[in-house]
Amino acid sequence: AQSVTQLDSQVPVFEEAPVELRCNYSSSVSVYLFWYVQYPNQGLQLLLKYLSGSTLVKSINGFEAEFNKSQTSFHLRKPSVHISDTAEYFCAVRINTGGFKTIFGAGTRLFVKA
Amino acid sequence: DAGVIQSPRHEVTEMGQEVTLRCKPISGHDYLFWYRQTMMRGLELLIYFNNNVPIDDSGMPEDRFSAKMPNASFSTLKIQPSEPRDSAVYFCASTPQGPNEKLFFGSGTQLSVL
Repeated sequence: AQSVTQLDSQVPVFEEAPVELRCNYSSSVSVYLFWYVQYPNQGLQLLLKYLSGSTLVKSINGFEAEFNKSQTSFHLRKPSVHISDTAEYFCAVRINTGGFKTIFGAGTRLFVKA
Repeated sequence: DAGVIQSPRHEVTEMGQEVTLRCKPISGHDYLFWYRQTMMRGLELLIYFNNNVPIDDSGMPEDRFSAKMPNASFSTLKIQPSEPRDSAVYFCASTPQGPNEKLFFGSGTQLSVL
């Protein structure tokens, strides 16, 4: 069975500090990887995705994630966070077995302090 | 396009009552997903449809839960009878055909069962 593990439930960090949100997955078949962000009282929005090619993918607001196949990880990073980055972040895998089932991790709440 | 539309936005009901949540996916999207979000369990996939056909309902917690998609533009998630532990935010999401497509989420229905 496939699974997604987000190792940290909460990450407090000061503004302008770097942050890393960790994600590991397990799957016996090929997958596509996603990070979604959820701001308070809103639905999830796609932040970035890895499908193939370069293992480093970037979002328009400064986040990046690197696919590491040997470690089955897809950690999300940002070199300098802002107060507005405070949100819950979900790592997700889509299983490419013809059904495109998407499984989400439990989420990591990023709290940026001034 | 208006995006994925869910109704109602909030639902408060008493234990034992029937609850129906509604979702209108984005036109042209072949896949529709129902998720439940709680503090304890995070975001859980309940069921998903492809071209109106249920593909995987293994995440539906009990027989009290049922979901239908009578046509490409409408889906319902029904809980009968409802229980306090069903209190959660229920999200509907849709995506077009293809493994590299992101999920488009609705704003969710906040369900409170008293």
